[in-house]
Amino acid sequence: DGGITQSPKYLFRKEGQNVTLSCEQNLNHDAMYWYRQDPGQGLRLIYYSQIVNDFQKGDIAEGYSVSREKKESFPLTVTSAQKNPTAFYLCASSIVGRDIQYFGAGTRLSVL
Amino acid sequence: GENVEQHPSTLSVQEGDSAVIKCTYSDSASNYFPWYKQELGKGPQLIIDIRSNVGEKKDQRIAVTLNKTAKHFSLHITETQPEDSAVYFCAASPRSGNTGKLIFGQGTTLQVKP
Repeated sequence: DGGITQSPKYLFRKEGQNVTLSCEQNLNHDAMYWYRQDPGQGLRLIYYSQIVNDFQKGDIAEGYSVSREKKESFPLTVTSAQKNPTAFYLCASSIVGRDIQYFGAGTRLSVL
Repeated sequence: GENVEQHPSTLSVQEGDSAVIKCTYSDSASNYFPWYKQELGKGPQLIIDIRSNVGEKKDQRIAVTLNKTAKHFSLHITETQPEDSAVYFCAASPRSGNTGKLIFGQGTTLQVKP
């Protein structure tokens, strides 16, 4: 089955801790995206990448970091600098030059 | 900056009635407008989309209309069913080149009462 896999489904972060959210896709898509979803605010773009070893900041990149070492993988690290990390995080992918984005099932991050 | 406004934030209808969700966008150069449905605890799924060279598109009980002059587009669901209950998001592609970026509306929670 082709698709986007996000793990874990639930994640808890302690004060001062960095945590990493996994996103893997087997759709052979070049572009990948990370969004943050808060109640009543829609989806906000954190980072996106159109090619391996390259990525750009979205609208709310502060306190987050990413890497794109493989086409299939685009992990997101929520650093200790992100003071309000509690949210639902969504990963998406698309073919470069095509607008349609396909989403994973999401990771819900909470603070202990 | 680019912005998409979505209304209403919540919508409750009786089964069999129609539901309409409206969005306005700020970037007149936007040319792609998808609608996503998100069920509880899941990721959004594309249900229908429209491009700026088309005024209306239908897929069974779902239709989308686009008014480029007014920078306004709407989702219409007819003969609603309880399984249509979900959060719906509109989005628009901004001016910023071929990045594939989408700007999302705030979402509408649709409840279809049996």
